[in-house]
Amino acid sequence: GEDVEQSLFLSVREGDSSVINCTYTDSSSTYLYWYKQEPGAGLQLLTYIFSNMDMKQDQRLTVLLNKKDKHLSLRIADTQTGDSAIYFCAESTLSGTALIFGKGTTLSVSS
Amino acid sequence: DAGVTQSPTHLIKTRGQQVTLRCSPKSGHDTVSWYQQALGQGPQFIFQYYEEEERQRGNFPDRFSGHQFPNYSSELNVNALLLGDSALYLCASSAGTERGYTFGSGTRLTVV
Repeated sequence: GEDVEQSLFLSVREGDSSVINCTYTDSSSTYLYWYKQEPGAGLQLLTYIFSNMDMKQDQRLTVLLNKKDKHLSLRIADTQTGDSAIYFCAESTLSGTALIFGKGTTLSVSS
Repeated sequence: DAGVTQSPTHLIKTRGQQVTLRCSPKSGHDTVSWYQQALGQGPQFIFQYYEEEERQRGNFPDRFSGHQFPNYSSELNVNALLLGDSALYLCASSAGTERGYTFGSGTRLTVV
């Protein structure tokens, strides 16, 4: 069955890099996403990667995909206090269909 | 450009009652999905509507039903509310040419 696993907490200092990891089980996953959720808010799409890509970079964000190990990571460079939030990894098998989410990683950034 | 709009933002219902939540998708989006997010959990897919039809459904009982209108807005109805239905209900919209979804801020439902 489909399952997405994430570590629950990550604590970093301001200015450091943060790496949030995710593993998934569905080998037919086509798109993998990273969403950010701030307290009391909905989900904000940060970035996504197609399963035939290994890496995608977007400003401070770098996504790495190891399809063989079904492992996805999100690296945030120069982490700021405003990056403190819950980060969700999600997969879908076809564009536009249901997203399967992990439980989220709470990122805490201290100054 | 307004994003996804959900109403109400909060509501409290009594066990056994029925509730209707509403969602207006982002301009240009024609597909609406609903998710339930329990406290401390990731969102769980309820169902998706496209062209006024339910296109895909998650593992939720028939007490959960929905509708999509010709203007692409959508409603989520939950009958015979249980305490366990207390959650943040998120609406997400998308268009066929875009990747990912735009989420609303959600409706916080508390069942007492």
